[in-house]
Amino acid sequence: DGGITQSPKYLFRKEGQNVTLSCEQNLNHDAMYWYRQDPGQGLRLIYYSQIVNDFQKGDIAEGYSVSREKKESFPLTVTSAQKNPTAFYLCASSIDSGLVGNEQYFGPGTRLTVT
Amino acid sequence: AQSVTQLDSHVSVSEGTPVLLRCNYSSSYSPSLFWYVQHPNKGLQLLLKYTSAATLVKGINGFEAEFKKSETSFHLTKPSAHMSDAAEYFCVVRLDNYGQNFVFGPGTRLSVLP
Repeated sequence: DGGITQSPKYLFRKEGQNVTLSCEQNLNHDAMYWYRQDPGQGLRLIYYSQIVNDFQKGDIAEGYSVSREKKESFPLTVTSAQKNPTAFYLCASSIDSGLVGNEQYFGPGTRLTVT
Repeated sequence: AQSVTQLDSHVSVSEGTPVLLRCNYSSSYSPSLFWYVQHPNKGLQLLLKYTSAATLVKGINGFEAEFKKSETSFHLTKPSAHMSDAAEYFCVVRLDNYGQNFVFGPGTRLSVLP
């Protein structure tokens, strides 16, 4: 089956620790995205990548880092500099080939709790 | 600036009655428009999309939406609500065909009463 996988589904960390969230896709999509979702709120863009070895900051990149060494993978690291890291994190991908109306495909999400 | 407005943060309907979730956007360009659904603790699933073809778009699970350029609206409807429709719904606008210009609305929570 083609799709996006995120692991783990639930993640618990102590304050001050860095943590890496996994995102893998087998859709052969060029573009990948990371969003943060807080209770009762919409999605906010953290980082996105249009091609391998290139990525751009989104609206709330402070305290996060990413890498894009492979087309299929776009891991997100939540660093200790992120002041309020507890949230639901969603990864997405899209073809981004220039065709009209390419939608995003979303993974199942990772719920991170930092105490 | 481009933006997406979902006029209702919460909509409550009875099972079997029609659903209307409203979405308005502001854009200087001809956008692509999407509706996504999110069930609790899940990812987002595409319901339907408008990409400058037919203005009335049919999606999955009986949902449809009509693009009205003059009103800059893309409201989501369903003739008869089912209990399984209870979820969060997001209207999304994409303003060009490259880059990360997906603009999300704040979401509308749909409750379906028995």
